[in-house]
Amino acid sequence: GAGVSQSPRYKVAKRGQDVALRCDPISGHVSLFWYQQALGQGPEFLTYFQNEAQLDKSGLPSDRFFAERPEGSVSTLKIQRTQQEDSAVYLCASSLVGGYNEQFFGPGTRLTVL
Amino acid sequence: RKEVEQDPGPFNVPEGATVAFNCTYSNSASQSFFWYRQDCRKEPKLLMSVYSSGNEDGRFTAQLNRASQYISLLIRDSKLSDSATYLCVVNGGAGNNRKLIWGLGTSLAVNP
Repeated sequence: GAGVSQSPRYKVAKRGQDVALRCDPISGHVSLFWYQQALGQGPEFLTYFQNEAQLDKSGLPSDRFFAERPEGSVSTLKIQRTQQEDSAVYLCASSLVGGYNEQFFGPGTRLTVL
Repeated sequence: RKEVEQDPGPFNVPEGATVAFNCTYSNSASQSFFWYRQDCRKEPKLLMSVYSSGNEDGRFTAQLNRASQYISLLIRDSKLSDSATYLCVVNGGAGNNRKLIWGLGTSLAVNP
């Protein structure tokens, strides 16, 4: 079925490199979320889009993190000048209407910064 | 105090046992509540939404206590396949109701 897809599934970056993570949500889903999940932790909210509008970016840990969803469908999370503490799984989820409905998750991108 | 708190476990139970998890939340204005399940190295998937009147889905029962601000999940006749991490999720409440706040998860291991 056409679920949420993310690419790449795995990314290894050298400290200081820029990375871009892609999310393709379920077609027709208005809301899109990015989460960061460290080992043994629950997902930590990063940012939320409703269509192309970024309504909440309060979870982005620093100005090195930037997300966009220019046409209200595909979204990209960019991390500039990666640091070792950025190593985590980055999960993307979409839902019909955020906060009230089931969120469908992609498989995640496992980022390792050396 | 964290916004959503869960006992991380691990809970180790034999097959057939009944096990219960509790989760407390801090924002009294929260309106939506969920239990998600996450298998090792997999993405979270919705197990069940939690309604004010409580709800049951097969072996799983969820309850909401607004006065005490906690939700619970009861698993009866546990199976080996129930081994996973169970995540309590609560929406952000008035003015921020699109945002979901996630607990750290409770780890369950069902043993033969």
